[in-house]
Amino acid sequence: NAGVTQTPKFRVLKTGQSMTLLCAQDMNHEYMYWYRQDPGMGLRLIHYSVGEGTTAKGEVPDGYNVSRLKKQNFLLGLESAAPSQTSVYFCATSTGETQYFGPGTRLLVL
Amino acid sequence: GDSVTQMEGPVTLSEEAFLTINCTYTATGYPSLFWYVQYPGEGLQLLLKATKADDKGSNKGFEATYRKETTSFHLEKGSVQVSDSAVYFCALSDLRAGNMLTFGGGTRLMVKP
Repeated sequence: NAGVTQTPKFRVLKTGQSMTLLCAQDMNHEYMYWYRQDPGMGLRLIHYSVGEGTTAKGEVPDGYNVSRLKKQNFLLGLESAAPSQTSVYFCATSTGETQYFGPGTRLLVL
Repeated sequence: GDSVTQMEGPVTLSEEAFLTINCTYTATGYPSLFWYVQYPGEGLQLLLKATKADDKGSNKGFEATYRKETTSFHLEKGSVQVSDSAVYFCALSDLRAGNMLTFGGGTRLMVKP
């Protein structure tokens, strides 16, 4: 039982490049979330999903897209990376109020 | 919109000292309140939660009471250990938006032996 896993753990991108972050869960949770963590700002919600095939915008959605084609996976895409997207990205899952977090993906955009 | 404010760190304490990390919130509804902890290099873990006014959440010696009258959820521990060194986040959940969490900025706690 792996819980919530994130791929990759670390990535360096050049400005304008694209990439996809993968979040996978084996807990059969309906809700999934993508957050970014920046120093002194806590975690801010990017996008979330309340079930397979659904997505919704969070607090800071610009520059990101998401997809939830399978219940167990939630993908976060950056079409054209910018230095402002340098951050640590966390995925989380939930069946109700308590959220369970993955270990994070550290992204550096040069 | 909803917001969470917590004391800025770092908070540096000696082992066995008493800990308080202040957290206040603003919300239009009746949110649930949480404390999450993040150890170095790891994701966030739920430490404790409270779902309604006057509820007390507790875990691993940490406690926090949901105070609606003061819109606060302060984290306390009577005797901290070096292993408690981490970043602590206060958060509230909004049932109207997929149970999304709104986080405070985090407070780094450093406990010295």
